Amino acid sequence: GQNIDQPTEMTATEGAIVQINCTYQTSGFNGLFWYQQHAGEAPTFLSYNVLDGLEEKGRFSSFLSRSKGYSYLLLKELQMKDSASYLCAVLDNYGQNFVFGPGTRLSVLP
Amino acid sequence: DSGVTQTPKHLITATGQRVTLRCSPRSGDLSVYWYQQSLDQGLQFLIHYYNGEERAKGNILERFSAQQFPDLHSELNLSSLELGDSALYFCASSEDYQETQYFGPGTRLLVL
Repeated sequence: GQNIDQPTEMTATEGAIVQINCTYQTSGFNGLFWYQQHAGEAPTFLSYNVLDGLEEKGRFSSFLSRSKGYSYLLLKELQMKDSASYLCAVLDNYGQNFVFGPGTRLSVLP
Repeated sequence: DSGVTQTPKHLITATGQRVTLRCSPRSGDLSVYWYQQSLDQGLQFLIHYYNGEERAKGNILERFSAQQFPDLHSELNLSSLELGDSALYFCASSEDYQETQYFGPGTRLLVL
């Protein structure tokens, strides 16, 4: 079956660093994506990992371990505008189907 | 702006009715995906089309159907609507079926 787990909610302080974890069990793997979604808006692409290791893009970094079925999204120098849901999604074995996790709602406090 | 357009933005209808949601992908994108997002729920994959052909089906009800036309725009048809069908319906497109998806602004459907 397909299963992706993320913490439901997280809270952090402006200027801090937060790590959002994602574990997955899917029928095959062709890449893992992170999306940001503000309430009532469309998800927007943040990062893509297909090989093990860390991908850095500005304040955001994403890590993947395929052997552990694990990824995390690291957000540095948090800003109030980073308050949103963060969705982890896995592209399945045939590259046809994206399986999205339930999302982690991040609240950034002043 | 992702370049993906969806119409209408909002739709209010009654139970038992039928509606059609429309999606125009980014220029050059061949893949179109449809998702449903209910209140406080994650994104549920419905269906994927690539260059006019259906490639994958997710949790799509039999009352729902979709198609992708030769000009690559796509329509999602929802029939015999129920209260539980009230949700945000997103369309996303990508250049190929293993590429990053770009989401449209969504259609908010309310079934009364």
